[in-house]
Amino acid sequence: GNSVTQMEGPVTLSEEAFLTINCTYTATGYPSLFWYVQYPGEGLQLLLKATKADDKGSNKGFEATYRKETTSFHLEKGSVQVSDSAVYFCALTLNTGNQFYFGTGTSLTVIP
Amino acid sequence: DTAVSQTPKYLVTQMGNDKSIKCEQNLGHDTMYWYKQDSKKFLKIMFSYNNKELIINETVPNRFSPKSPDKAHLNLHINSLELGDSAVYFCASSRDGNEKLFFGSGTQLSVL
Repeated sequence: GNSVTQMEGPVTLSEEAFLTINCTYTATGYPSLFWYVQYPGEGLQLLLKATKADDKGSNKGFEATYRKETTSFHLEKGSVQVSDSAVYFCALTLNTGNQFYFGTGTSLTVIP
Repeated sequence: DTAVSQTPKYLVTQMGNDKSIKCEQNLGHDTMYWYKQDSKKFLKIMFSYNNKELIINETVPNRFSPKSPDKAHLNLHINSLELGDSAVYFCASSRDGNEKLFFGSGTQLSVL
């Protein structure tokens, strides 16, 4: 089947710390991979995406590389800010369907 | 202009009542979704419509009935509300089911 597994939270970091949120996937085809972010009280919004192996998605200082050999799409940021506090969701979709598969979300809190 | 708008933002009601949540998208997308997010932030797909046609219907009680009068609207009607229905419900849309999702800001439903 198709599924996404991401590291459990919550994660608490100090400002300017390095962030990694792990995400691995299982897919029956060739997925596109996404990271979505949900700020408090809001809906999810796309943070970055990658559509094929070795692609790197990047946005707002966040990066993730589509690794087919390890079926992973880990999210990284070199220096987090308080404003990055949110819940982060890894997701995949297949070209053959209309369904997105979401991970369970990882809550990040950045303290000054 | 809000791309995906859903109303109401908050809905507080008694057990046994019937309520509706409305969703509209002005992006010209063909595919619309309803997701349920529980208190642990777990996101579960409920329904997906493509051009007014139901294409995904996950294991959801038949008290939940989606209605799509046109491809820009997907409303969710819930009969005989139960305590366990309390959650945040998100509407979303995408261009062709494989592109990124655009989410509404959510409807927080509280059943008392």
